[in-house]
Amino acid sequence: QKEVEQDPGPLSVPEGAIVSLNCTYSNSAFQYFMWYRQYSRKGPELLMYTYSSGNKEDGRFTAQVDKSSKYISLFIRDSQPSDSATYLCAMSPASGSARQLTFGSGTQLTVLP
Amino acid sequence: EPEVTQTPSHQVTQMGQEVILRCVPISNHLYFYWYRQILGQKVEFLVSFYNNEISEKSEIFDDQFSVERPDGSNFTLKIRSTKLEDSAMYFCASSPSGRSGVSRGYTFGSGTRLTVV
Repeated sequence: QKEVEQDPGPLSVPEGAIVSLNCTYSNSAFQYFMWYRQYSRKGPELLMYTYSSGNKEDGRFTAQVDKSSKYISLFIRDSQPSDSATYLCAMSPASGSARQLTFGSGTQLTVLP
Repeated sequence: EPEVTQTPSHQVTQMGQEVILRCVPISNHLYFYWYRQILGQKVEFLVSFYNNEISEKSEIFDDQFSVERPDGSNFTLKIRSTKLEDSAMYFCASSPSGRSGVSRGYTFGSGTRLTVV
């Protein structure tokens, strides 16, 4: 079983739609959960981070973590064409100072105008 | 906004040659990282570096790889004898500290595309 699984898509939605992106994981040591956005030919850019279980909202973005199900989600409300990118989930254990990240494979999102 | 700068953006090298990928992390950051992404695959951790030594490294980071912070501003990844399977996008990242680095997120560079022929 892969440590982090993410549906690669591609996912295509009309402008204004609500987008739901998800990852599952197997390592119960993961405590930090992040969503990164990656545009073509660019490095990953942090969108959201959550520690342990719960929800976090930032503008049009909401991140949810359900540790009991080992499932995390990112919701994008009122999606815009500029949201078109690859979205990567990433996770890290609580122990260890350097906190290496384990990434999902990424979901390619296209928001159509 | 401070940036992590990587050079070159694209490097083509022959199999067996040595390559050095260069990074200038954000100036007040303390932790430095290399990740790689083979085309169509996940971003994978290679190595983390703190206080002039390696903090953690993955199984990928074998004896062919080394890292160095030669002058207090640059952070380099050297691959001694490149193989075809080393072809990938290599990302450098930095964070203020290991703990806050997760909460603020590492800052990634735009990457160096390494092509081994």
